[in-house]
Amino acid sequence: AQRVTQPEKLLSVFKGAPVELKCNYSYSGSPELFWYVQYSRQRLQLLLRHISRESIKGFTADLNKGETSFHLKKPFAQEEDSAMYYCALSGPGAGSYQLTFGKGTKLSVIP
Amino acid sequence: SQTIHQWPATLVQPVGSPLSLECTVEGTSNPNLYWYRQAAGRGLQLLFYSIGIDQISSEVPQNLSASRPQDRQFILSSKKLLLSDSGFYLCAWRGTLNSPLHFGNGTRLTVT
Repeated sequence: AQRVTQPEKLLSVFKGAPVELKCNYSYSGSPELFWYVQYSRQRLQLLLRHISRESIKGFTADLNKGETSFHLKKPFAQEEDSAMYYCALSGPGAGSYQLTFGKGTKLSVIP
Repeated sequence: SQTIHQWPATLVQPVGSPLSLECTVEGTSNPNLYWYRQAAGRGLQLLFYSIGIDQISSEVPQNLSASRPQDRQFILSSKKLLLSDSGFYLCAWRGTLNSPLHFGNGTRLTVT
């Protein structure tokens, strides 16, 4: 069964400090990994996906198949980064219609 | 462009009453449709997904059901609501497998 683990419910950092939101997954094949973000009073939206290998709003995430991780990183946190972040997994296998989410990490950036 | 509509935004219902939440997608055909429930500390729980008309898969046995009477319409229902059905319900769609999900604004359901 596919599973996504976000070990931190809440992460508080100071403005300008580096941010790392952890995500580990369990999947037998080659998954597609995503990070979704939900800002206050806004709908849940895609932040980035691993196959794009792009940086969005200064965030990057690298898929590490050896460690089965997809951590989200930003070198310098901004106040507007405060939000709820969800890591998600989708696979090409039999269960691929499903998109499995972690429980989310609330990022709070302290001014 | 594609858009997703979900309503109502908020709903307060007494225990034992029926429920019907509706979700429609515009600008695409044959989308994969999803119902999630979002709860604090529990993240996003997949309730149902549908790959086509009248094709519904249930992920979590519970007091809810889903239907897809038309290609771009997805309905979440209950015959008798329980207090434990209170929560924030999200509808979502995607075009192809492994493409990102696009979410609606959600419905805040309070069962009293």
